[in-house]
Amino acid sequence: QVQLQESGPGLLTPSETLSLTCSVSGGSLSGYAWSWIRQSAGGGLEWIGRIFSNGKINNSPVLWRRITMSRDTSKNQVFLKMTSVTAADTAVYFCARDIYGSGSYFDLWGQGSLVTVAS
Amino acid sequence: QSALTQPAAVSGSPGQSITISCAGSISDVGTFNLVSWYQQRPGKAPTVIISQVSQRPSGTPTRFSGSKSGNTASLTISGLQAEDEGDYYCCSYAGQQTLAYVFGTGTRVTVL
Repeated sequence: QVQLQESGPGLLTPSETLSLTCSVSGGSLSGYAWSWIRQSAGGGLEWIGRIFSNGKINNSPVLWRRITMSRDTSKNQVFLKMTSVTAADTAVYFCARDIYGSGSYFDLWGQGSLVTVAS
Repeated sequence: QSALTQPAAVSGSPGQSITISCAGSISDVGTFNLVSWYQQRPGKAPTVIISQVSQRPSGTPTRFSGSKSGNTASLTISGLQAEDEGDYYCCSYAGQQTLAYVFGTGTRVTVL
């Protein structure tokens, strides 16, 4: 059974760089894309970007200047870095398995990693 | 690209049917038959209940159904049950060259 687990710093101060890891267990990265999605306290979901198992990346045009995604196929991990965080980046960050192409939906989600940006 | 528009709240009594709308544009819902719906319970991650407008993934009860007309998608829950309380989000593919996915604003479903 494939499971996703996010890990991150928890608390950041403004202007720092956020680094998140999504560890995939019970399966591999192959054949899927892996999306990052965040949810602010107001409740809305926002798609951040995705990385395919071949390394190709799609980014949100709202955030692309600040985000970098990568993956380590040997460790079944994907990574998200976001620079120059502000309070507006406070959210729960999810990674999700992206059934891209003819499906285009998220069939598995991690439990989420709460990131708080405060001085 | 703006978020898809959903009603903030919908309620119904057990056994009733409710419908949640998801209004998008020609750039997303209107062009792609790639609308999915997610249920989220408090403190939990979303789970997919409908994909590709009307497909039920394994495990989704048959009382959940999806449809689309023009730029608006809809989720119907027929025979509402207490366990259906929670937040519901639609999501549409929006094209690889721009924002790949756009989510709806979310709807809180209350079972009276």
